[in-house]
This record gives sequence, C-alpha cells and structure tokens, in this order.
Amino acid sequence: GEDVEQSLFLSVREGDSSVINCTYTDSSSTYLYWYKQEPGAGLQLLTYIFSNMDMKQDQRLTVLLNKKDKHLSLRIADTQTGDSAIYFCAESPSGAGSYQLTFGKGTKLSVIP
Amino acid sequence: NAGVTQTPKFRVLKTGQSMTLLCAQDMNHEYMYWYRQDPGMGLRLIHYSVGEGTTAKGEVPDGYNVSRLKKQNFLLGLESAAPSQTSVYFCATLAVNQETQYFGPGTRLLVL
Repeated sequence: GEDVEQSLFLSVREGDSSVINCTYTDSSSTYLYWYKQEPGAGLQLLTYIFSNMDMKQDQRLTVLLNKKDKHLSLRIADTQTGDSAIYFCAESPSGAGSYQLTFGKGTKLSVIP
Repeated sequence: NAGVTQTPKFRVLKTGQSMTLLCAQDMNHEYMYWYRQDPGMGLRLIHYSVGEGTTAKGEVPDGYNVSRLKKQNFLLGLESAAPSQTSVYFCATLAVNQETQYFGPGTRLLVL
C-alpha cells in the first residue's frame, strides 16, 4: 500500500532555512501536500504541488518535487519561532475517487531563538 | 462562515460507554472524513463519506460507526469505548472541484 515517510524531528536556529524531507511510494500520486499543525490545533494546509511540477514557491516556502526519486521537500526561508510546529507530508493516491490522503507521521520543527 | 467545526472539544469516557462526535461544515463540501491522530502514528483514516447518505471504511474502522444523514454533518460513533480509542479525532472536508482537505480543530477523547 501507499506509504509516506518523514523524519520525526528537526531543529534550526531562528533566521536559518529549514528543510523538511518526505518520501512517498505511489508514483502516480496526483497531488502532494504540506500541512502545518500547531500545538492543540487542527491541520492547516500550507501548500501543495501537482505531480507534473518540479517546484513551487510561495513567499518563504519552496516545495521541491523529485518524481523520479519520489522525494518531496519543504524549505522554509528565514525560519521564525512562529514556524515551530509539526509538518505533515501527504499524498493523494491515484485512482482514489474519494480523494483520500495518506499522511506521513509528521516532522516536529523546533526553532531556537 | 465557520468552516469545519467539531463537537465536543474534549471528553472523558469510561470503558464501555458510548458517545457520538459531531462534525459540521458550512462549505457545502461533498466529501467528509474522520481521522484519528496518535503520537508517532500520524493521521489515520477511520471512515469517510463521498456524499449525503453514503459512508465507507478507511484504514482503521473497527470500533467506530458513522452516519451522513445530512450533507453538512458527519457523525462518528463509539458504541463501546475502549482505552485504545483514546486519541485526538479530526474531521476534514473536501469539495469535488478542489484539491485539498480542510480540517476541523479536533476532539480530544480520553477513555479510562
């Protein structure tokens, strides 16, 4: 079945760039997503990328997709303390007419002031 | 426009008790989902619905039932709660012509 893997923890200094990595198994995924979860809150969509794209940039966020290696990354430029959260990678498997998502276990980003 | 709301926000149950979690959305989305989130496990899909009157099983459906009698509501039921069902439950919705799911704030359930 589909599987999404990501490292569990990342620690960076304020002002540095953060890079969160994700690998997935379904080569025919249509969309790949990054969600952010702050403590005690639900998941908030940060950005997503269509599978025929290599890169998407949105302000401080850059998403890179290597479809050959099934590798997705999220780069946060000039990381701030407010970026401390858990970041989830998710894929939308092909043929899933119900638009189900498969989530990774989440990467906890800690920003050191 | 409240988006996706969940009721209750927090609940404590004793083993064997029953309860219903309510998810309500005002975005007229067709699809609705129930997930549970456990430490180190990410989000796992319990049940979902592709429209009013329809439901389907997800990855971890055992011990739960759902109903979608109205398009805007998706109910998750626990008939006989077990400590293994202690978790945070999230509801999500999706419109057919959109690409992403919108999440509610979560319901924290503790089963003693």
